Amino acid sequence: QVQLVQSGAEVKKPGASVKVSCKASGYTFSSNAMHWVRQAPGQGLEWMGWIDAGNGNTKYSQKFQGRVTITRDTSASTVYMDLRGLTSEDTAVYFCARDSLRSGWYHFDYWGQGTLVTVSS
Amino acid sequence: DIQMTQSPSSLSASVGDGVTITCQASQDISNHLNWYQQKPGKAPKLLIYDASNFEARVPSRFSGSGYGTLFIFRISSLQPEDVATYYCHQYDTLPLTFGGGTTVEVK
Repeated sequence: QVQLVQSGAEVKKPGASVKVSCKASGYTFSSNAMHWVRQAPGQGLEWMGWIDAGNGNTKYSQKFQGRVTITRDTSASTVYMDLRGLTSEDTAVYFCARDSLRSGWYHFDYWGQGTLVTVSS
Repeated sequence: DIQMTQSPSSLSASVGDGVTITCQASQDISNHLNWYQQKPGKAPKLLIYDASNFEARVPSRFSGSGYGTLFIFRISSLQPEDVATYYCHQYDTLPLTFGGGTTVEVK
């Protein structure tokens, strides 16, 4: 069965960076794109960006452009989300979500369990 | 960016009641709309894609309709396990955007 398992909770100081991983299993890793979506406490869902797991192409929300990098390691079937210049407003649960398409964006059919990132001095 | 406006933001209904949630897009998105259910402390779960298509194993009491800018999500007979927040999501244009969510409670 398809599983997306994310790395554990992180506590970071303002100005630091965080790298969250998402290990996929149960399907051919390069056959589906992957997204990152975040959710601040008590708030809604916010799309951050996308990676084509096959060729590594990426797209980012303009809001995070320059601060976020999404990469993948095909040998480890893992996608990473690196967010730099953290502020308290980046405190949120970060989800990886698999797209049903290999390339492009459609719907998110499987999600990771979420990783809480807390930014606090 | 395409704005997705959901209403109501919350509602309370009795078991067995019908529940309707609307989602309005700020521009025409064809049928490029999905609906997700998120229970407290959990990841969202896909219920409806392409505005009206059921994801596998989703109970038939959930349904979606609409095209263009106005979309409807309906629970035909509310069950206790339907307590959750529901989000619409457009995939027509980047950046992908979500509605603000509708929290459904049981009276």
